[in-house]
Amino acid sequence: DAGVIQSPRHEVTEMGQEVTLRCKPISGHDYLFWYRQTMMRGLELLIYFNNNVPIDDSGMPEDRFSAKMPNASFSTLKIQPSEPRDSAVYFCASRLQGWSTEAFFGQGTRLTVV
Amino acid sequence: DAKTTQPTSMDCAEGRAANLPCNHSTISGNEYVYWYRQIHSQGPQYIIHGLKNNETNEMASLIITEDRKSSTLILPHATLRDTAVYYCIVSLPSSGSARQLTFGSGTQLTVLP
Repeated sequence: DAGVIQSPRHEVTEMGQEVTLRCKPISGHDYLFWYRQTMMRGLELLIYFNNNVPIDDSGMPEDRFSAKMPNASFSTLKIQPSEPRDSAVYFCASRLQGWSTEAFFGQGTRLTVV
Repeated sequence: DAKTTQPTSMDCAEGRAANLPCNHSTISGNEYVYWYRQIHSQGPQYIIHGLKNNETNEMASLIITEDRKSSTLILPHATLRDTAVYYCIVSLPSSGSARQLTFGSGTQLTVLP
């Protein structure tokens, strides 16, 4: 398996534009997580899914952020409208359900909102 | 999930053992200790985890004290490629329900040539 795949790797957009980040989890994994990393706040969990169903979105900062998982092999994180303070690296991770399984992270999407 | 305390930074000479400490004095009986690392510009990478017994894999060893209030991650022969931020995380396992990983500030390990 190629691991967790995120696209794009880098995204530069203007304030007010819609941004969509994409993630393909490892095949067969039951959970998918979206994290955001900034220098100020470190790695923060935004939302996670179990079997394509959103379980906890308490980390989503505002209504401008939304995430979907239409099927087991694809998830999106959308920001509309984007703001400069959304600039960060966004990571997607997946893991199996089970006792003490590890999470596998993608390479991240570096988002810059100007 | 229990809180963890790690030193902000550490240096280690290449080829020597790197010993990274972590305090987790409020750990509960069924919480595991996980270690991840993040090499610059990459996503976090799982290293090892344990409950109460010492654990070893191809990457590292994990030593957990008998009272489980602290642990040490050991990289037996550090290389320059081990330079990274190392995160110690205490969490319940994911059986039955997902347990997200809460990342703290971690320890910046710099392996020196």
